[in-house]
Amino acid sequence: DQQVKQNSPSLSVQEGRISILNCDYTNSMFDYFLWYKKYPAEGPTFLISISSIKDKNEDGRFTVFLNKSAKHLSLHIVPSQPGDSAVYFCAASAIGTDKLIFGTGTRLQVFP
Amino acid sequence: DTGVSQDPRHKITKRGQNVTFRCDPISEHNRLYWYRQTLGQGPEFLTYFQNEAQLEKSRLLSNRFSAERPKGSFSTLEIQRTEQGDSAMYLCASSRSGGSNTEAFFGQGTRLTVV
Repeated sequence: DQQVKQNSPSLSVQEGRISILNCDYTNSMFDYFLWYKKYPAEGPTFLISISSIKDKNEDGRFTVFLNKSAKHLSLHIVPSQPGDSAVYFCAASAIGTDKLIFGTGTRLQVFP
Repeated sequence: DTGVSQDPRHKITKRGQNVTFRCDPISEHNRLYWYRQTLGQGPEFLTYFQNEAQLEKSRLLSNRFSAERPKGSFSTLEIQRTEQGDSAMYLCASSRSGGSNTEAFFGQGTRLTVV
């Protein structure tokens, strides 16, 4: 069963606008959430994370929001830049373990 | 470069052959993870080590797969009697221990093709 779901396989956004990537999870034991970016033929690169005790974490152009009651998190990128074009993975880990459960990814394309 | 290093980057092998991959984690990280990624999917957890101890193995890891981290530094992942279904990107990651909520840093992966 897919414990972490990214229901949008792709997203296309104009440069300068906001990109919003969504992620849903089913396991209520998840307490730490991360976003990774992946370019072709490379490993995932860590972007930003959030603990379940918070509802927002911001780092530069990237903000992650967590809604625990809805079991939903989102990544906001503003302003979007062409270099942001990549596949974005949402991941989660449960209390007491560091192994990550990943979603299937959303391919973001930022066009000029 | 102090990132996670994996070797080789690419491996093509014939079905039935054994292959071994190596991972060198970030030096101060004592946790090391192996993941596998196939096309259109996110990385799937295979196993992880804290120092030299293998703490967890996924049920995805059949008995043809074995991983070691003999001195708590680099790790190897061996696949015996490879099958075409083993074709994937094998990713290694490392992190610090000391409580939860520490991000894992990934290497560039080893792409295995079984022909």
